[in-house]
Formats: sequence, structure tokens, C-alpha cells
Amino acid sequence: DAGVTQSPTHLIKTRGQQVTLRCSPKSGHDTVSWYQQALGQGPQFIFQYYEEEERQRGNFPDRFSGHQFPNYSSELNVNALLLGDSALYLCASSPDPSPIQYFGAGTRLSVL
Amino acid sequence: GDSVTQMEGPVTLSEEAFLTINCTYTATGYPSLFWYVQYPGEGLQLLLKATKADDKGSNKGFEATYRKETTSFHLEKGSVQVSDSAVYFCALSRGTYKYIFGTGTRLKVLA
Repeated sequence: DAGVTQSPTHLIKTRGQQVTLRCSPKSGHDTVSWYQQALGQGPQFIFQYYEEEERQRGNFPDRFSGHQFPNYSSELNVNALLLGDSALYLCASSPDPSPIQYFGAGTRLSVL
Repeated sequence: GDSVTQMEGPVTLSEEAFLTINCTYTATGYPSLFWYVQYPGEGLQLLLKATKADDKGSNKGFEATYRKETTSFHLEKGSVQVSDSAVYFCALSRGTYKYIFGTGTRLKVLA
């Protein structure tokens, strides 16, 4: 059984560009959450998707948007990239209503 | 709002030493509490959890007890191994929603 998979593994962008990160949840999981982990910090919640709708959102600007597809996979989009967006982006999935989230290995985004 | 505070790292121990990593939280009601571990270059792996007061979570020799009176969830292990070297995160959540993480504590175990 594959775990949570994220792509790409690494990404380099320049300021002002746009980026899309992808996540496939564990089999049987219908809820996907996204987190941003800056170097040396704990992950910060961006938003959570359930039944193709954004269910909860953290304190992130509208430049961060997402989508969930009918097969429960998800995308995170970031527009107008800033240097401060450089971080490890983690996707986590869970089977609603379980509170336990399973994390992928992340996408390392570098903004130059 | 809700928050999690962890002890500053790094923590450096010799193999077979006793480990304690402190975690306290601020939250109303009864959140669920978790410890996750992150090995270099990897995502977070659930280590243990507790969902109500006085619950003890345990896994791979690690233990933590949900203490409502002291709002704490300290991680302990009786005898650490080199392979335990990693970053440990304490987290809380309410229901199925977001996790709130501490800043992480790096553990280095020397042979």
C-alpha cells in the first residue's frame, strides 16, 4: 500500500513565478491537508480539503490556493512567489473523521 | 489561540541514556496530542498519540502521558539508540482539523 506521495521532490523558482505542487493521499483517505515547514521550524497549517472543498484555512495569504480532485488527490498553487516562500511543503492525508494524519516526504521549494 | 511549546534543542545524549523532551500546550477543552518524528530528508512519521487526559501513548520504547493538570505531554525513552537521532515534534489537534506543531527538538545520540 503506497503512502502519501508528493511531486516534485525539489523545485527551484524565481520571484514572481507561480508553482503547483501535487499530492496523492494514502489509499482510502479522503482528506488532504497542506503544511509549510520553514528551515528549523515546525510545520504551519495552510489549508485542508475534504469532499473537494476547502474545509479549514490557516493564516496564509490568498496567493496560496488549492484544489482537490474526485480521486482525492490535491494540488497546492502559490502565485507571485516571494523569497520567504522557500520551504518544505508537506502534504498529509487522513480518513475522515480520524484525527491522525499521515505525511508525505514533502516538496522542497527554493525561490531565488 | 492554541499553541505548543517544546524544549529547545539540540539534545545530545550517549547511547543507552534516558531521554526526556518536554512539551506543554495551551488550549481549551481536550485536544488530541501527538508526537511525530522526522528523519533527515523525510516527512513526518507518527510516533505516538493520546486523545484524552491520563492516556499514555507508547511506541518503539517511547512513551508520553497526557497530563491535563500540567497541560503537558513529555516524551520519554529509557534507553536511546543512535538510530533515534532525528527531530521530534509535539503537536495538538481538535477533531479532524489542523495540527498545531511545536518548533521541534533535534536529538543526537552518540555511540
